[in-house]
Amino acid sequence: GNSVTQMEGPVTLSEEAFLTINCTYTATGYPSLFWYVQYPGEGLQLLLKATKADDKGSNKGFEATYRKETTSFHLEKGSVQVSDSAVYFCALSDRSGRNTGKLIFGQGTTLQVKP
Amino acid sequence: DVKVTQSSRYLVKRTGEKVFLECVQDMDHENMFWYRQDPGLGLRLIYFSYDVKMKEKGDIPEGYSVSREKKERFSLILESASTNQTSMYLCASAGASEQYFGPGTRLTVT
Repeated sequence: GNSVTQMEGPVTLSEEAFLTINCTYTATGYPSLFWYVQYPGEGLQLLLKATKADDKGSNKGFEATYRKETTSFHLEKGSVQVSDSAVYFCALSDRSGRNTGKLIFGQGTTLQVKP
Repeated sequence: DVKVTQSSRYLVKRTGEKVFLECVQDMDHENMFWYRQDPGLGLRLIYFSYDVKMKEKGDIPEGYSVSREKKERFSLILESASTNQTSMYLCASAGASEQYFGPGTRLTVT
């Protein structure tokens, strides 16, 4: 079945460091891919998405490119800030059966940015 | 602005109590979801609903039921709360694509 695998955390970085959080997926067909972010004490917010191969999603300095050949959707940011400390979830749309908006989530990766 | 609200941010209940968690969305979405989130386990889907009065089990439905009498409202019911249901509960709604989440309810069962 469909699945998403993320790198295990926590990831600890200093401010202004480069960030990569790896995400790979297994899916039939052509799912859409998403990154969600969860700040402490809050629900999840959509960070960015890509709907087809080679699309690049971007928001708030974060980017991820839909790579069909490597089944990956790695999240990157050139210079992290303390305010980026959060849990990041990679997800794909489950398009089996009726279109329910159902997503399959990775386990989440905790990012801690130190000043 | 898109909005998903949950009835409580924090809730403390006793073992054996019947617990209702309410979720309301204002986006006229067909699809709504209930998840629980536990450290090290990520998000796990409990139930989802793709239309009024329609529901499907997710990955961990045992011990839970749901109700969707109106399009905007999706309720999660713990028929007899147990301590292993202490968790963060997240509601979401979706059109055809991304999901929008509420702020979560942290439930403690003592």
